[in-house]
Amino acid sequence: GESVGLHLPTLSVQEGDNSIINCAYSNSASDYFIWYKQESGKGPQFIIDIRSNMDKRQGQRVTVLLNKTVKHLSLQIAATQPGDSAVYFCAERVRADYKLSFGAGTTVTVRA
Amino acid sequence: NAGVTQTPKFQVLKTGQSMTLQCAQDMNHEYMSWYRQDPGMGLRLIHYSVGAGITDQGEVPNGYNVSRSTTEDFPLRLLSAAPSQTSVYFCASSSTPDRDSPLHFGNGTRLTVT
Repeated sequence: GESVGLHLPTLSVQEGDNSIINCAYSNSASDYFIWYKQESGKGPQFIIDIRSNMDKRQGQRVTVLLNKTVKHLSLQIAATQPGDSAVYFCAERVRADYKLSFGAGTTVTVRA
Repeated sequence: NAGVTQTPKFQVLKTGQSMTLQCAQDMNHEYMSWYRQDPGMGLRLIHYSVGAGITDQGEVPNGYNVSRSTTEDFPLRLLSAAPSQTSVYFCASSSTPDRDSPLHFGNGTRLTVT
């Protein structure tokens, strides 16, 4: 699989490989995190979320990992498919604040 | 369920014109918000509302007004459009502001100010 240690704006992945998208969040008081997928011309679409009392959560072909010590969030996509080509955003929220703050996004391109 | 519906999909304005971007949700969500999306900058919060009759400012509120007279609708008004307001605008909602529920987004309004 392919991964990035730091947040990079683009990621190119071979079809069938695993992808890892990284995100560094800013606020140590954030207690809820979400990954979104945005396809061209559409609004962001919910993928998976995780609360701050968890380290890992799995969905269908996706896994989110949370490392609160270094304020790092990652999204792993198993067996990447052409339909996974999109921009992926992480978002964080502080409960008392009501607001969801978004990262800059990573554009994932899947190579056939 | 239509989810979050935004109109219009596209709009071109001249500098100084005003307009309202419409947003409606049919999920009985208490929380609604407006974001703008610019290249390389992700999504930035303009205004939000935690319930009917309550609104508050986000990160980039200048030049925009909102109101929340009903649970379903959350219009965004541009008072005097400027080229810096050229952007894609997204409306989003979630069930309640103090629960861990993700935002549901509309498909956006693409605004160009000339």
